[in-house]
Amino acid sequence: AQSVTQPDIHITVSEGASLELRCNYSYGATPYLFWYVQSPGQGLQLLLKYFSGDTLVQGIKGFEAEFKRSQSSFNLRKPSVHWSDAAEYFCAVGRSNDYKLSFGAGTTVTVRA
Amino acid sequence: NAGVTQTPKFQVLKTGQSMTLQCAQDMNHNSMYWYRQDPGMGLRLIYYSASEGTTDKGEVPNGYNVSRLNKREFSLRLESAAPSQTSVYFCASSVNQPQHFGDGTRLSIL
Repeated sequence: AQSVTQPDIHITVSEGASLELRCNYSYGATPYLFWYVQSPGQGLQLLLKYFSGDTLVQGIKGFEAEFKRSQSSFNLRKPSVHWSDAAEYFCAVGRSNDYKLSFGAGTTVTVRA
Repeated sequence: NAGVTQTPKFQVLKTGQSMTLQCAQDMNHNSMYWYRQDPGMGLRLIYYSASEGTTDKGEVPNGYNVSRLNKREFSLRLESAAPSQTSVYFCASSVNQPQHFGDGTRLSIL
């Protein structure tokens, strides 16, 4: 079975600074990988996804993520955070032969002025 | 564009009461899912329906039942609510991947 680890429970970053959120997965084959964002009181919004091909994927809101097979990682980055990026971020892994997802526990991002 | 709509948004129940959470999607997706979200645990799959007429257990199905009423609607039922079922419940739908989520139902059981 696949699993996802997000090592950082909470990250605080200054507005305008760069952000990197870590995600490690466990899965025997090539996974489908996702990052979702959840603002307070809201549902989950897809930021970006990786299925195959180019290992650096671009998403919405200026986010990008890089798939590194050798490290079983799919870290999310943003060069310059805005106060509106304060939210909870979830990494998820899926399999190519079914539609179920496994989620990490999430990383809460606080943005200070 | 409504996407995935969940009702109600908030609910408070007493232990032992029953309740059905409703979910409807207007994207013509084949697959639908119910998750629960608890602090520090991410989202855990309760039940899913790969296509109309089929349902399967996920990671945490105990205490829940589901009905795939038609292609659009997928309901989650708590027959006898317990305090451990206090959570935020999310419905999602997809054609393969990725999944699209509703805004959630916040359920408290006293």
